Amino acid sequence: EDKVVQSPLSLVVHEGDTVTLNCSYEVTNFRSLLWYKQEKKAPTFLFMLTSSGIEKKSGRLSSILDKKELFSILNITATQTGDSAIYLCATFGDYKLSFGAGTTVTVRA
Amino acid sequence: GAGVSQSPSNKVTEKGKDVELRCDPISGHTALYWYRQSLGQGLEFLIYFQGNSAPDKSGLPSDRFSAERTGGSVSTLTIQRTQQEDSAVYLCASSLSWGSNEQFFGPGTRLTVL
Repeated sequence: EDKVVQSPLSLVVHEGDTVTLNCSYEVTNFRSLLWYKQEKKAPTFLFMLTSSGIEKKSGRLSSILDKKELFSILNITATQTGDSAIYLCATFGDYKLSFGAGTTVTVRA
Repeated sequence: GAGVSQSPSNKVTEKGKDVELRCDPISGHTALYWYRQSLGQGLEFLIYFQGNSAPDKSGLPSDRFSAERTGGSVSTLTIQRTQQEDSAVYLCASSLSWGSNEQFFGPGTRLTVL
């Protein structure tokens, strides 16, 4: 069974801090790894990663995949209160998308 | 349409009743996915459609759950004889095709079974 494990489960930081979120996986026929941000109901897409070692960046967010060690990290620099959310990691394997439990990030002013 | 829409947004039902949840994907998206998120839990994949067919139904929690998609567009998720543990937010997403870059999520249906 596919497994996606995120850590930490939650963290609290102050504005301006940098956070690093971790995602490790065991997936049959791995295709890609995705990161989502969930603030209310629906997750919003952040990144899709398919190749090892290639960093993807979007503003203050960046992510990288290590297919040898089977993990990914999501970095958020200069955090703002608007970054407070649950960050979900998911993997595409055979016919299905498997989600981790998420990391709840709280950014305090 | 402009985005994925789901209806109803909220549904309260009594234990034992059947419910039907609807998802309208983005026009032109051939892949459609159903998930649920129970309180305090992660997203649980239920089923996906490529066109009108669902290659893998093993994610459905029990045989009380079924889903269909007609015309390559609208999908309905039906839960028969609802139980309290079915209470969750049911999310639908669509993508251009299976395995394509990005899934666009709908706002979800919050189901409460009393």
